[in-house]
Amino acid sequence: AQTVTQSQPEMSVQEAETVTLSCTYDTSESDYYLFWYKQPPSRQMILVIRQEAYKQQNATENRFSVNFQKAAKSFSLKISDSQLGDAAMYFCAYRSIEYGNKLVFGAGTILRVKS
Amino acid sequence: GAVVSQHPSWVICKSGTSVKIECRSLDFQATTMFWYRQFPKQSLMLMATSNEGSKATYEQGVEKDKFLINHASLTLSTLTVTSAHPEDSSFYICSAVPVLPHNQPQHFGDGTRLSIL
Repeated sequence: AQTVTQSQPEMSVQEAETVTLSCTYDTSESDYYLFWYKQPPSRQMILVIRQEAYKQQNATENRFSVNFQKAAKSFSLKISDSQLGDAAMYFCAYRSIEYGNKLVFGAGTILRVKS
Repeated sequence: GAVVSQHPSWVICKSGTSVKIECRSLDFQATTMFWYRQFPKQSLMLMATSNEGSKATYEQGVEKDKFLINHASLTLSTLTVTSAHPEDSSFYICSAVPVLPHNQPQHFGDGTRLSIL
């Protein structure tokens, strides 16, 4: 079974600075998807960024980018120019292609943004 | 963009009653929907996979007689918490995957906060 580990329960960043959230996963599959979701206090689940495992190029969405290291099974999220609205719980998630669309979530990282 | 509507957003009821939560995909069809449970400051735990026209697949440890799932159409799945008790109080979230195009990410509803007195 796949597992996702987020080793940072909480992180803090100064507004306008950069922060990196860590995620590692364990799988025997060669093809899969990885996601970062943001959950603000409203508890909506918002997709931040996705990465297909077969793509070597790291995904980027505006201020959000990932460092995908397939061999190391690492998928970190970098947030540049942090804003107050980035404060939320961030979840890393794994989706198996072989086993349908099930998502396996990490424990989450609470990100606090200081003004 | 793809929208999933979840209703109600908050429900308070007495112990012993049954509560139904609806999950609708508003602008796409979904053969598969998922139901999650989330405790405060914890991650989402998958409860079951809802399949249109067939029985739901429950995760290990989830009581299928307690959490009844019906997926009667390509746009609606319901979760009924039967004979609810205070320990069932939690935040329940559904998600849906569009049939087309393929390999789309899950789209989440806004969740239902269930409080059993």
